Amino acid sequence: DTGVSQDPRHKITKRGQNVTFRCDPISEHNRLYWYRQTLGQGPEFLTYFQNEAQLEKSRLLSDRFSAERPKGSFSTLEIQRTEQGDSAMYLCASSLDVEVAQHFGDGTRLSIL
Amino acid sequence: GDSVTQMEGPVTLSEEAFLTINCTYTATGYPSLFWYVQYPGEGLQLLLKATKADDKGSNKGFEATYRKETTSFHLEKGSVQVSDSAVYFCAHGSSNTGKLIFGQGTTLQVKP
Repeated sequence: DTGVSQDPRHKITKRGQNVTFRCDPISEHNRLYWYRQTLGQGPEFLTYFQNEAQLEKSRLLSDRFSAERPKGSFSTLEIQRTEQGDSAMYLCASSLDVEVAQHFGDGTRLSIL
Repeated sequence: GDSVTQMEGPVTLSEEAFLTINCTYTATGYPSLFWYVQYPGEGLQLLLKATKADDKGSNKGFEATYRKETTSFHLEKGSVQVSDSAVYFCAHGSSNTGKLIFGQGTTLQVKP
């Protein structure tokens, strides 16, 4: 069990640029979740996958956001035309089944200049 | 809508004091309940969980009981240590999707 891995750990970019984050879940886990956490708040759900299928997206996920999980393994989260309000920690979590607790990665901190 | 409410922090205690962090929730259906902990500079770690009413989750001296009648899942520890200083998050998980709804977090500071 190598844990959930996220890359990069920190991304600094200018407003208007596109960014992409990667998440590698625990290898046998079929469910993968993305959350966003702003300073002083709890994580907020963005979207989740069961295998390669994206089954739910939060209203927080505007059309500038897109997530994929090709082949049901790693996942990417892309933000196009970044805005100041996108600055946050983006967390990825995975689990084996719906009833099993999620394991979280250390997150990618996005800072918009 | 579904939500989780935690007591506001920071909570500051002396070592060996008794800890309670209150958590209440609103949810449809029968969610699982969780406490996650975030130590300084680290990611979220599962502390304990309970999957049905009256279940007690426990780990590392921490306990919480799933109270359906009061929709609560309060975290307790009999004797805190300096190493318990962290941010604690209460959450409930959808029984259909597994997605977690978190509270805003409670910062615990334990002084020697």
